[in-house]
Amino acid sequence: DAGVIQSPRHEVTEMGQEVTLRCKPISGHNSLFWYRQTMMRGLELLIYFNNNVPIDDSGMPEDRFSAKMPNASFSTLKIQPSEPRDSAVYFCASTSNGNEKLFFGSGTQLSVL
Amino acid sequence: QKEVEQNSGPLSVPEGAIASLNCTYSDRGSQSFFWYRQYSGKSPELIMSIYSNGDKEDGRFTAQLNKASQYVSLLIRDSQPSDSATYLCAGNQNQAGTALIFGKGTTLSVSS
Repeated sequence: DAGVIQSPRHEVTEMGQEVTLRCKPISGHNSLFWYRQTMMRGLELLIYFNNNVPIDDSGMPEDRFSAKMPNASFSTLKIQPSEPRDSAVYFCASTSNGNEKLFFGSGTQLSVL
Repeated sequence: QKEVEQNSGPLSVPEGAIASLNCTYSDRGSQSFFWYRQYSGKSPELIMSIYSNGDKEDGRFTAQLNKASQYVSLLIRDSQPSDSATYLCAGNQNQAGTALIFGKGTTLSVSS
């Protein structure tokens, strides 16, 4: 099993640019989560999907952030326009329905200059 | 706002000692609790889960849960330098238990 796959591993961009982070969950998992981690705020839940449907997006910081899950094997998190305060590590995680063990991807280190 | 609180540390213990990590949570409806370990620059990985009041042991790790006090702890016996990491406490956010809320983590340093 390849695990949860995230891309890119690192992203450096300039303020105002659009950023798209990608995630492929583990095959057969039907819940997918996007988290953001910073030293100041720790690991914050941004949004989670169950069976490709967004269940709770209350953690999305503002309208600049959007997430989609067009099918069971792919999700994106988009930031437009990006700001320096968006700099963080963004993790995607997946799990099977009813199984609370989360499997995390390697994360995307985002730096907005 | 449902919160999970942890002492950020760092917690420093000598090799072979017992490390005690603590966590409190605000949501009385929380049913399930988890401890994740995160090495520097890596992603979190699950090491323990606990659902009922009392103790749960797995090797050198013991998780303790007290729902009345809204308190979760993790004991690491015979601490090893390889245990040096950040430990994240997490609780479920809703009854389905599929959206975990994490604490900020406690950094543990085990010196040889």
